[in-house]
Amino acid sequence: DGGITQSPKYLFRKEGQNVTLSCEQNLNHDAMYWYRQDPGQGLRLIYYSQIVNDFQKGDIAEGYSVSREKKESFPLTVTSAQKNPTAFYLCATRQGYLGNTIYFGEGSWLTVV
Amino acid sequence: SQQGEEDPQALSIQEGENATMNCSYKTSINNLQWYRQNSGRGLVHLILIRSNEREKHSGRLRVTLDTSKKSSSLLITASRAADTASYFCATDAWAGGTSYGKLTFGQGTILTVHP
Repeated sequence: DGGITQSPKYLFRKEGQNVTLSCEQNLNHDAMYWYRQDPGQGLRLIYYSQIVNDFQKGDIAEGYSVSREKKESFPLTVTSAQKNPTAFYLCATRQGYLGNTIYFGEGSWLTVV
Repeated sequence: SQQGEEDPQALSIQEGENATMNCSYKTSINNLQWYRQNSGRGLVHLILIRSNEREKHSGRLRVTLDTSKKSSSLLITASRAADTASYFCATDAWAGGTSYGKLTFGQGTILTVHP
């Protein structure tokens, strides 16, 4: 939302393929997050990063990988090791640490075909 | 695992009525936040309440926090059809062993407001 751009909005993946979801922000926020949302469910944290070149695993990191080479960018790769990747993926950012608001992008729908 | 659990899972009311959603959590928090999500969209921040606060207001929203019971509630007064959305609570706490904050979301309450 606002200064967070996720792309593509819709993505179809064949079995065995890796795909990368893009997240770019111009809010100058330090922290960036990736969440996964399954239909009718809450959000589960995949990975998060507080500074460039550093990131931490969330609750469901298996089958996913990330990089944080620039402050503005936090791409998420869904690898073939992720057995059930069909979901809605949300990127979020926030300035600083605890107690600040998180801002979300509009999300990316990933479907395995 | 999910930190916050929301109740009810779904709520259906008429326009003008009040809507109350509850959130329970398991571990100590720094603050608790409520978010709204329209179908297929990103989440939008509604209100934040810190662990040393008991109640907070923002327009038609009222949030309470009871840290002794590890629970929070969101009240939307005089609801409108446009309030139809999913509402999530999120707990904000130190991520273990680091100085990072980790925001953990509940399952959400689906609110439907009928005109």
